[in-house]
Parts: sequence; C-alpha cells; structure tokens
Amino acid sequence: DTGVSQNPRHKITKRGQNVTFRCDPISEHNRLYWYRQTLGQGPEFLTYFQNEAQLEKSRLLSDRFSAERPKGSFSTLEIQRTEQGDSAMYLCASSGAKRKGLAGDLGELFFGEGSRLTVL
Amino acid sequence: RKEVEQDPGPFNVPEGATVAFNCTYSNSASQSFFWYRQDCRKEPKLLMSVYSSGNEDGRFTAQLNRASQYISLLIRDSKLSDSATYLCVVNFSNTGKLIFGQGTTLQVKP
Repeated sequence: DTGVSQNPRHKITKRGQNVTFRCDPISEHNRLYWYRQTLGQGPEFLTYFQNEAQLEKSRLLSDRFSAERPKGSFSTLEIQRTEQGDSAMYLCASSGAKRKGLAGDLGELFFGEGSRLTVL
Repeated sequence: RKEVEQDPGPFNVPEGATVAFNCTYSNSASQSFFWYRQDCRKEPKLLMSVYSSGNEDGRFTAQLNRASQYISLLIRDSKLSDSATYLCVVNFSNTGKLIFGQGTTLQVKP
C-alpha cells in the first residue's frame, strides 16, 4: 500500500462547471476526511466518513459540495457550479483501523498530496 | 472566535535557538491534541501527539493546559531542517472531527 492517493492532482475549470475529486485511502483505514486549504491557512475541515457513513459536514460548506463513500473504500468530492472562491487545494486524509487487532492511533491522519483546483 | 487559534508568525530564529509556539482552542470538551508539520507545498504530517502530562520527543516538547485551553510546542536547538509550518490540531469530540489551526511558520536561519 503506497498511502493515500488523490486524483486529479490539478484541475483547471471555468466558473459554473462541476468538478469531482477522488480519494483512495490507505486500505485498512476506516475513517476518511476531506479538507480544503488556501495559501497561508491551515486545512479547513469539510467532512468526514467512518466506513460509508458521513458523520459530519462543515456548516460552512454550501449545498454545492457533496461527498460520498459508497462502499467504505474510496471517496469522491463533487463541487457543483464552481465559483472562483472554490479555488484551493483539496486534501484527503485517512486514519484508523478497519480490522480488529490492527492497532492504530485514530488521531493520526495520513494525507494525500492533494488536488489543486483553479476556477477561472 | 476561531475554534483553534495560532500566532501565524513567521518566527525567524537562528540555528540553535529555542522557540515556542502556542495554540488555544475554544471547546473545553476537546479530547485529543496534536502537532502536525507541513513543509512548503507538501501535505501535513504528524509531528507528535500532546498528552495531559506533557511529552517529549527528542528536541520537541509538547504541553497541554486544559484549564486555560492552551497547547504549546517547544523546539530546542533549532535546525535548518525544522523550517516549516507547524499546525495545532484538536479533536473536538469523540466522533473524530479534527480541527486545524492556521499554522505557525518557522524559518531557521544559519
């Protein structure tokens, strides 16, 4: 397992278009997080899943954002009708252990390299 | 008030200096605390967890003050390679939601 994988790495789109990002977490991890980061800021929490259940979504997130994790493995983050303010790095992270006996520090997040979105 | 607040810096220090970063959090029910490190144009990585009694990992010491809702990170004998952004992270609930501060930038100069 090579870690958390995100794609595409870069996406340039025009305002009003829809975009979708994919995240493949570390296989034995049951928790998956999405964050957004802009220059000079820390990662901003968007949402997270435990297995396939979406446990929490940021109140700051508009209805244009939706995330899924249908089988408890990979996840997608879709942004509809993109706006210039959506331009950011979208980071995915995973943590935890799926199987009994696999000890894990649930607090440690393993991040992917991110998907950079530019909205023109 | 932000949920997790840090002084963004930058902190510019010479090699060998000792530097301390502070972080405050708003939710008194917070359970777990961490420091992450983020290098320029890279993803964040766990530096260390913060335990109630305080803990040390080599040149790094983390402390927690629950009464004041305050976390600190001390770096002794700074190295050039310590230059990075240090992110304070708080688990706001047992459900696993992890909130990041905006980060404190450290630049260690020769």
